[in-house]
Amino acid sequence: EAQVTQNPRYLITVTGKKLTVTCSQNMNHEYMSWYRQDPGLGLRQIYYSMNVEVTDKGDVPEGYKVSRKEKRNFPLILESPSPNQTSLYFCASSPQPAGVETQYFGPGTRLLVL
Amino acid sequence: AQSVAQPEDQVNVAEGNPLTVKCTYSVSGNPYLFWYVQYPNRGLQFLLKYITGDNLVKGSYGFEAEFNKSQTSFHLKKPSALVSDSALYFCAVRDARNYGQNFVFGPGTRLSVLP
Repeated sequence: EAQVTQNPRYLITVTGKKLTVTCSQNMNHEYMSWYRQDPGLGLRQIYYSMNVEVTDKGDVPEGYKVSRKEKRNFPLILESPSPNQTSLYFCASSPQPAGVETQYFGPGTRLLVL
Repeated sequence: AQSVAQPEDQVNVAEGNPLTVKCTYSVSGNPYLFWYVQYPNRGLQFLLKYITGDNLVKGSYGFEAEFNKSQTSFHLKKPSALVSDSALYFCAVRDARNYGQNFVFGPGTRLSVLP
């Protein structure tokens, strides 16, 4: 089954404790992206990757890091989480970044930073 | 810069009645427009998109949307609402010239279909 998976689905942590949210897709998509969803703000792009070893900042990259060492994986890293990073996070992928392609979203990771 | 507005936080409609969820956008070039739906505890699912061509776009689950360039709108519609349509709906836009960076999403509209 074609899908985007994220782990963990739910995470409670404390300020400053490094964490990683994994994202994996099995569709051989070139383009992957991370979003955060906050009430009243919709989805805002954090980082995106156009292919292996190619990443770039989205609209809200502060406090986040990403890597793209393999085509299928695109982990999101919070080196020192803070309470304002409490949010719902989505990973997405699409065949190409050209804009006409539909994005496929993972199920989401709900993060609470205390 | 590109932006999307969804002027209604919440839309309530009775089952069987037509529904409309509004979306207006702003881009410098030609727009690529999308609608996604989010059910509770789920990721976003694609409904339909406008890239070019016919202004009336038909999508999944009986939804359709009309692209209106002069009003910069892309309203989502369905002739007869179902209780199962209750969900959070997002409009998204991308400037056709903006290669690489993906969509800008609206804040979402919560649709409640009452039995």
